[in-house]
Order: sequence, then structure tokens, then C-alpha cells
Amino acid sequence: DAKTTQPPSMDCAEGRAANLPCNHSTISGNEYVYWYRQIHSQGPQYIIHGLKNNETNEMASLIITEDRKSSTLILPHATLRDTAVYYCIVRDGGATNKLIFGTGTLLAVQP
Amino acid sequence: EAGVAQSPRYKIIEKRQSVAFWCNPISGHATLYWYQQILGQGPKLLIQFQNNGVVDDSQLPKDRFSAERLKGVDSTLKIQPAKLEDSAVYLCASSSTGYGYTFGSGTRLTVV
Repeated sequence: DAKTTQPPSMDCAEGRAANLPCNHSTISGNEYVYWYRQIHSQGPQYIIHGLKNNETNEMASLIITEDRKSSTLILPHATLRDTAVYYCIVRDGGATNKLIFGTGTLLAVQP
Repeated sequence: EAGVAQSPRYKIIEKRQSVAFWCNPISGHATLYWYQQILGQGPKLLIQFQNNGVVDDSQLPKDRFSAERLKGVDSTLKIQPAKLEDSAVYLCASSSTGYGYTFGSGTRLTVV
């Protein structure tokens, strides 16, 4: 079962920052937080991942709370092409390395 | 680098027929995954291969689903016989380090 809780949907205005929350209150010490997104009719696409520290790449920023029980994915300047389902996934660093998806958040970027 | 290739892109079959899906992972990726995604849900892991060995097939309905990965490269997923509830998108993914998966575009199966 997925170990994360996300809102089912969110709206964001084009050009504004999109902040997608995720709760993972049962996360354990060796588990990473991953974010993927899935644009309609495509496979999921990796965005970013982190363990404890905040992370940033060319796509997004990941803010993880100090207690690691929640995180926020930030798309700094959302565009219409960012409309997608965003999945927050907790994944252990062990050998199986499975990604267990929940139902995600449908982000709708409005013009 | 080339992405994960899947074929066919779409398939429509009648219930009780058989169907096979093919996946060619990114070159050098040792780990390959098959997921099933029913409309409105997140992808569900069916089976995981490490090279040509099965690591996890606990969610694979083995009475009708089978998968193989010959020579640790390409993989096929078969359903025989298909049921209406097998209608879904079947996604293949591969990874090298185990950190970032790369997914294919999937095969959309409709069972009528």
C-alpha cells in the first residue's frame, strides 16, 4: 500500500508557483521521498527525490520537513504543460527498490 | 539516450483471448518493471526483474499473467485468457541504479 497522502486535485494559475503537499507520517529512516508526474497518455516521469535535505533541480524543488513526516513539491513558474497527475512516493533504499504509487494529485494549471 | 520502447501502443481483444506486450528497456538497465494502470488509479507493480531473474512477482495474477525477460534485455508480458477487468494501460519501466525509473508510454489494452 502507498504510504503517502495527497490531495486529489489542485489548481494553479499559469506563471505562479505550484506547491503540492504530501504527508508521509510513517516514513522510516532509510526511506526516500520521490516525486513523479504523469501527463495524460504518457508514462510517469521522474521529477526529484530526497532523503532529509531540501533538493532542487531544473524541474522543481523539494522541501522536506525536519521531522520528515511531510514534504512539498514546488514548481516555481507553472506552465500549461505542467498539468498532470503528481505522485509522491516513499521508497526504501533496499534491494527491491520498488515504487508503490498512490492516486496522486491532479494539478490543473489555468491560463 | 533512447527511451523505454513498448509495443503495441493500443490493443483491443475479446475476453478469453490471449495478448502479449513487448518492452525494450534502456540499454544497460539491469532492472525492469511491469506495471498495470487502471483508469483513474496509480500504476500497480506486477513484476520486477533484475537482469533475467524475477525479484518480485507477488502482485502478478499467475493464473493468467506471465512474464519473461530473456537474456536480461527485452521482456514480454502475456495475458491468457483475458478478462474484462484486465482493461488497463500496461507500463514498462527500467532503471540502472534503482533511483530513477524511466517509463515507456505504455500499451493501452481494451478487453471487450
